[in-house]
Amino acid sequence: ILNVEQSPQSLHVQEGDSTNFTCSFPSSNFYALHWYRWETAKSPEALFVMTLNGDEKKKGRISATLNTKEGYSYLYIKGSQPEDSATYLCALTNDYKLSFGAGTTVTVRA
Amino acid sequence: DGGITQSPKYLFRKEGQNVTLSCEQNLNHDAMYWYRQDPGQGLRLIYYSQIVNDFQKGDIAEGYSVSREKKESFPLTVTSAQKNPTAFYLCASSPSAGVSYEQYFGPGTRLTVT
Repeated sequence: ILNVEQSPQSLHVQEGDSTNFTCSFPSSNFYALHWYRWETAKSPEALFVMTLNGDEKKKGRISATLNTKEGYSYLYIKGSQPEDSATYLCALTNDYKLSFGAGTTVTVRA
Repeated sequence: DGGITQSPKYLFRKEGQNVTLSCEQNLNHDAMYWYRQDPGQGLRLIYYSQIVNDFQKGDIAEGYSVSREKKESFPLTVTSAQKNPTAFYLCASSPSAGVSYEQYFGPGTRLTVT
């Protein structure tokens, strides 16, 4: 099992503010890092799959960066909206399996 | 619509009984997965299948069994040997088992064993 840590465990952000949080992982034998968004009462859905050091990916107001040498990825939410409230999961894979972190739960206050 | 279905949404069983959780996908995906979620923990992999008629143990396979007789179906049986079966169970699929393929998740089944 790969040790994937996410911090903080939860955060509150005011509507319109930007925020970011971290996923840390062992830097050896890296293959790919996944980010998923899990809204309450819904299924987790994929945001990004990142494979290259220095990768930056963007989907709307959400973006992610990857540093495989130091073993971390940041997820950024720009101009947070209530619909961004969710638990954000990162997962590491170095074979056919994903190892998930416990998630960062984001609550956007109107 | 294409997607993954899991049934039932809630399931209650008495201790000592085996129970089977259903997972069906119509995405034509080769790979399927079963995860378990417990409070405060990340999703943990129970079993996965890269292709029909083949499956491998994940990180916490003890007390569980699976079958993959059809491409679209990957049922999970929670046996009486599973010491702490009460949990939220998620099924997922991906086009292939390769590392760069995102996974598609079902809505989950919450199992309560008393």
